[in-house]
Amino acid sequence: NAGVTQTPKFQVLKTGQSMTLQCAQDMNHNSMYWYRQDPGMGLRLIYYSASEGTTDKGEVPNGYNVSRLNKREFSLRLESAAPSQTSVYFCASSEVRPNSGNTIYFGEGSWLTVV
Amino acid sequence: TQLLEQSPQFLSIQEGENLTVYCNSSSVFSSLQWYRQEPGEGPVLLVTVVTGGEVKKLKRLTFQFGDARKDSSLHITAAQPGDTGLYLCAGARVGNNDMRFGAGTRLTVKP
Repeated sequence: NAGVTQTPKFQVLKTGQSMTLQCAQDMNHNSMYWYRQDPGMGLRLIYYSASEGTTDKGEVPNGYNVSRLNKREFSLRLESAAPSQTSVYFCASSEVRPNSGNTIYFGEGSWLTVV
Repeated sequence: TQLLEQSPQFLSIQEGENLTVYCNSSSVFSSLQWYRQEPGEGPVLLVTVVTGGEVKKLKRLTFQFGDARKDSSLHITAAQPGDTGLYLCAGARVGNNDMRFGAGTRLTVKP
């Protein structure tokens, strides 16, 4: 069971470079998310997609763009990387089930360093 | 300020002690989840609480959802070193699809 797969696992960028984090899920979930996790900050929502074809800003969207390519894939792009974007990035997906809430399944994380 | 406030931020206890961590908000949530995260990994779901006042037990862990669905607590009985980790609460406000997380409680249980 692959679940949520995100790539790359590690990346070092120079300030001003661009890159795209890729994410795919095989659970047929409608909702997908991108979070960043910094020490002492928990997980902060960057963007989410409630369904194929829709995307919405989360808590910290500045400096990022997303694409919901199809139901399976949700990519995160940094157009001009800045040192403040050094973080661990998690992709996630979820499905709302009646009486069971909204359970999120996470990828393994992408460690991004901007120098 | 975060939508979900967790306390305490850090907790270090001896094996065998009991502890409670809290997750509070001024917003109403359709459900709240508790996750546990280990270093180098993504968070893993422990439990979901859906109904106001609901109590769920998972072995030595007891989870409670507040009557007004604005807060939740996690109580661990007789903590063990294997309970060490980052505990996160998360939820989506009523009428919203965005899942928000608290900053987490970092628990260390010493043998």
